[in-house]
Amino acid sequence: GAGVSQTPSNKVTEKGKYVELRCDPISGHTALYWYRQSLGQGPEFLIYFQGTGAADDSGLPNDRFFAVRPEGSVSTLKIQRTERGDSAVYLCASSRTGYTGELFFGEGSRLTVL
Amino acid sequence: KQEVTQIPAALSVPEGENLVLNCSFTDSAIYNLQWFRQDPGKGLTSLLLIQSSQREQTSGRLNASLDKSSGRSTLYIAASQPGDSATYLCAGAEPLNTNAGKSTFGDGTTLTVKP
Repeated sequence: GAGVSQTPSNKVTEKGKYVELRCDPISGHTALYWYRQSLGQGPEFLIYFQGTGAADDSGLPNDRFFAVRPEGSVSTLKIQRTERGDSAVYLCASSRTGYTGELFFGEGSRLTVL
Repeated sequence: KQEVTQIPAALSVPEGENLVLNCSFTDSAIYNLQWFRQDPGKGLTSLLLIQSSQREQTSGRLNASLDKSSGRSTLYIAASQPGDSATYLCAGAEPLNTNAGKSTFGDGTTLTVKP
């Protein structure tokens, strides 16, 4: 596609529920990143994919968070047993290559856990 | 651990003024530095990317510089316009031999340009 696409744009869920957030990167971009942004703060790194593999998942806060990119294109961020503290905007970015690549972000998925 | 700081947190200027936004980072071994613009409720729009071997990049009224030795980058906006009002964020990418691909962001400077 023309840009990075994220769905849903807004998700409201109850504490303890399971959530999936989807990211469709720019066509041909091999690198994909997930970030989380809280109000008034800069994005915080979660995970980075190069192709199908997670090259760096050091930012995932705990084992309730998991992300996949099975075919090297679309990625899904999965959050189990959601907590109120998970409420944030989840941003996805892609770049043509890793390392030196310019990051292009989607509009984000706003997650609210009640 | 890389830390990125942007000061001031907010800035208000009259239309037409030239201005400089500051970004400082603690680890000079960044691979590149990127400046972004974020409008309320939106994602980040890339403005300029400076590779570690470069000292500056220009795009229209924007000029970004990078001084790795001092751990600083600046974004210069010429002849500011009300449409420039947004939050501006900088991000430093980790070197290849460490956490390759990870970028650390500052918390941004929120700019208001008054007509």
